[in-house]
Amino acid sequence: QVQLVESGGGVVQPGRSLRLSCAASKFNFIGYAMHWVRQAPGKGLEWVALISYDGSKKYYAESVKGRFSIFRDNSKKTLSLQMNSLRVEDTAVYYCARDFSNDGSGSFYFDYWGQGTLVTVSS
Amino acid sequence: EIVLTQSPATLSLSPGERATLSCRASQSVSSYLAWYQHKPGQAPRLLIYDASNRATDIPARFSGSGSGTDFTLTISSLETEDFAVYYCQQRSNFGGGTKVEIK
Repeated sequence: QVQLVESGGGVVQPGRSLRLSCAASKFNFIGYAMHWVRQAPGKGLEWVALISYDGSKKYYAESVKGRFSIFRDNSKKTLSLQMNSLRVEDTAVYYCARDFSNDGSGSFYFDYWGQGTLVTVSS
Repeated sequence: EIVLTQSPATLSLSPGERATLSCRASQSVSSYLAWYQHKPGQAPRLLIYDASNRATDIPARFSGSGSGTDFTLTISSLETEDFAVYYCQQRSNFGGGTKVEIK
């Protein structure tokens, strides 16, 4: 069964940085695009970022563009999200999610999700 | 940007009843639409993709229909484990969700 385990969440002050990680297992990681999706407290789901199977293509939501960076290490089967210049409104549970398509291109359907890691931005 | 509007915001039903959830797109998305189920403290679960295709291991009581701008998720007979929040999604856009609660 596909496993995605996020880590790295915590409490951070506005303007600071945080790096999230997602450890993938039990599937061919290099064959799939990957995403980060978040959910602010009491709110709905919000897509954050996409990285193609080989890391050559990256896309971001307007709300995080220029502040967040998505990375992957296929040799370690790890997905990362570097979050800089954090704002109070970035407070959310962050999920990593596998793209549904196994050709690595990115279908924007999310077929497996981790349990999420909570990021709280507060002074 | 495409806006997805879900209705109703909350649906109060009893186990065994039929649930009909709506998702309307601000412009045509063809059939590129998915539905997810989300329970508190759990990972969201893909139910339907391409508007009407059930994802792996999704029970047959879940069905999706529609194309263009109007889409429907139907749960034919609610089980207790189906009470949750449901989201429609088209690429980078999610709807606001419909909460299906026990009446």
